[in-house]
Amino acid sequence: RKEVEQDPGPFNVPEGATVAFNCTYSNSASQSFFWYRQDCRKEPKLLMSVYSSGNEDGRFTAQLNRASQYISLLIRDSKLSDSATYLCVVNPWSNTPLVFGKGTRLSVIA
Amino acid sequence: DAMVIQNPRYQVTQFGKPVTLSCSQTLNHNVMYWYQQKSSQAPKLLFHYYDKDFNNEADTPDNFQSRRPNTSFCFLDIRSPGLGDAAMYLCATSRGLAGGSQETQYFGPGTRLLVL
Repeated sequence: RKEVEQDPGPFNVPEGATVAFNCTYSNSASQSFFWYRQDCRKEPKLLMSVYSSGNEDGRFTAQLNRASQYISLLIRDSKLSDSATYLCVVNPWSNTPLVFGKGTRLSVIA
Repeated sequence: DAMVIQNPRYQVTQFGKPVTLSCSQTLNHNVMYWYQQKSSQAPKLLFHYYDKDFNNEADTPDNFQSRRPNTSFCFLDIRSPGLGDAAMYLCATSRGLAGGSQETQYFGPGTRLLVL
């Protein structure tokens, strides 16, 4: 089983739609979790950290389910500018390198 | 106010000709990372420095070497590039706090390497 798995997509959704991505991780001792966004030919940028209690930042909601070892990202009211690849990222332990999923590609269509 | 700088943004080299990619940071972070990313794939960690301590990933080819002469700079040396080494090379940094589990990594814009 891969360390971090994501559905590669692509997800093609109309503007205004709600879209959800899931990600599973194999290491049950993993410490922390993130969603990064990567635009085409650009570097990954932190979108949000994922906390145990779940967290929201505007149209974006992240949730963590430790029992099932999955993380989700919900985007409400999709904008054209949300089109990107969303990388699920896990930190297995303190001060160890992050483990990246392959990413889920989102295309928001007018 | 760039924080992680990579030069050049695009690098063309010839098969077998050594090439060096550079990364610098203004964040004074302890940890610096080099990743290789190919199209539609996750960034693949090559190695990282925790301060001066070098950590090589087990599957990083010997063809890839790194140097960190000081806190601010880190270099990726590819001794004999092959066609399969064409990729985006990303440098990243993190603070490296003791017991820091919510460490954010900051990426540079990457250097896209083309091997002819």
